[in-house]
Amino acid sequence: DGGITQSPKYLFRKEGQNVTLSCEQNLNHDAMYWYRQDPGQGLRLIYYSQIVNDFQKGDIAEGYSVSREKKESFPLTVTSAQKNPTAFYLCASSIVPQGAEAFFGQGTRLTVV
Amino acid sequence: QQPVQSPQAVILREGEDAVINCSSSKALYSVHWYRQKHGEAPVFLMILLKGGEQKGHEKISASFNEKKQQSSLYLTASQLSYSGTYFCGTEPPRDGPIYGGATNKLIFGTGTLLAVQP
Repeated sequence: DGGITQSPKYLFRKEGQNVTLSCEQNLNHDAMYWYRQDPGQGLRLIYYSQIVNDFQKGDIAEGYSVSREKKESFPLTVTSAQKNPTAFYLCASSIVPQGAEAFFGQGTRLTVV
Repeated sequence: QQPVQSPQAVILREGEDAVINCSSSKALYSVHWYRQKHGEAPVFLMILLKGGEQKGHEKISASFNEKKQQSSLYLTASQLSYSGTYFCGTEPPRDGPIYGGATNKLIFGTGTLLAVQP
């Protein structure tokens, strides 16, 4: 079955450490997204990519980095520069170029202690 | 900038109707609607495109006023399964030579919590 997979589901890290969240899709989608979800703030866009080897910053990109070396993969690194990294992170993908349904992964809950 | 949703929360009895509104300060190419149940991934409900095309769910309808940069989601004869948090997602048009086309930059609102009670 086609879908989008995020791993791990739960992740614990010590403060000051970088951590990479995995996102893989086998839907053959060109566009991929990373969102952060905090209570009462909805889904906030971190980064998005419309094509391999290209990506754009979203509204809250500071303290995060991404890469898009393969069409099916869009990993997100939460760096030590991110001041409040504890959150629920969602990855999504869609086709391009016209507006289309986004498919979401099940999310990764990151807790930094 | 995130679109603004209203109301923030609503409680319904089964069979009642609800309207959720989404307003953007920027021009829009499309508006998406998703529902998320606690601890789960958001699920697609509806997409409305500039120019009037609409794609989505049979039992849920929506409107898109391009001039006012607003959209509304209409839930009629609500069921217990409608409970969850509803998000609108907005997509601005592309700038430049192909102005007016999609950008794929999907920005979500803060959400509306809907609780349907028996």
